Amino acid sequence: GENVEQHPSTLSVQEGDSAVIKCTYSDSASNYFPWYKQELGKRPQLIIDIRSNVGEKKDQRIAVTLNKTAKHFSLHITETQPEDSAVYFCAAPRADRDDKIIFGKGTRLHILP
Amino acid sequence: DAGVTQSPTHLIKTRGQQVTLRCSPKSGHDTVSWYQQALGQGPQFIFQYYEEEERQRGNFPDRFSGHQFPNYSSELNVNALLLGDSALYLCASSVVGLVGHEQYFGPGTRLTVT
Repeated sequence: GENVEQHPSTLSVQEGDSAVIKCTYSDSASNYFPWYKQELGKRPQLIIDIRSNVGEKKDQRIAVTLNKTAKHFSLHITETQPEDSAVYFCAAPRADRDDKIIFGKGTRLHILP
Repeated sequence: DAGVTQSPTHLIKTRGQQVTLRCSPKSGHDTVSWYQQALGQGPQFIFQYYEEEERQRGNFPDRFSGHQFPNYSSELNVNALLLGDSALYLCASSVVGLVGHEQYFGPGTRLTVT
């Protein structure tokens, strides 16, 4: 069956420090791994994604790493800022079949002043 | 270029009633997926529509049904509402077959069942 586990459920970091959120997945056929950010009362928005043919991708302060052997991928946010406070969701759809997206349960990130 | 739109924004219904939620996909998108997001939880996949047919379905009862129209817009219908159906209902649109499967979410409809 398909399953995506996300940890931690809550994370508090000092402004300027780094934050790391980890996800594991069970479906070995998964080959696309997006991360969504959801601010309070707003829709989830894609912030970064990675495909299975690469191990790491960076976009300014955000990076995602993928270990297909271990079936886990991580979101890294460096130099955190107050506007990074939100709930972050990982997901593992199967792009080759345009399949349903299985979301993790989310990580509530608090950036402390 | 309009993004994904949903209506209504908020809705209050009574147990046992029926509800219809609507979604218009982003321009150029042909696939619509529906998700239920309970408070403090991640979005749960309900079903996906493409070419006016249901292509995939999550673990939701038959009380949840949908439809897609020729213009790619979609409706989610829920019959015999239960208190547990109270949630934010999100639709997301995408383009079938595109590697990457990026989905764009609408603002959601918050359904409260009393």
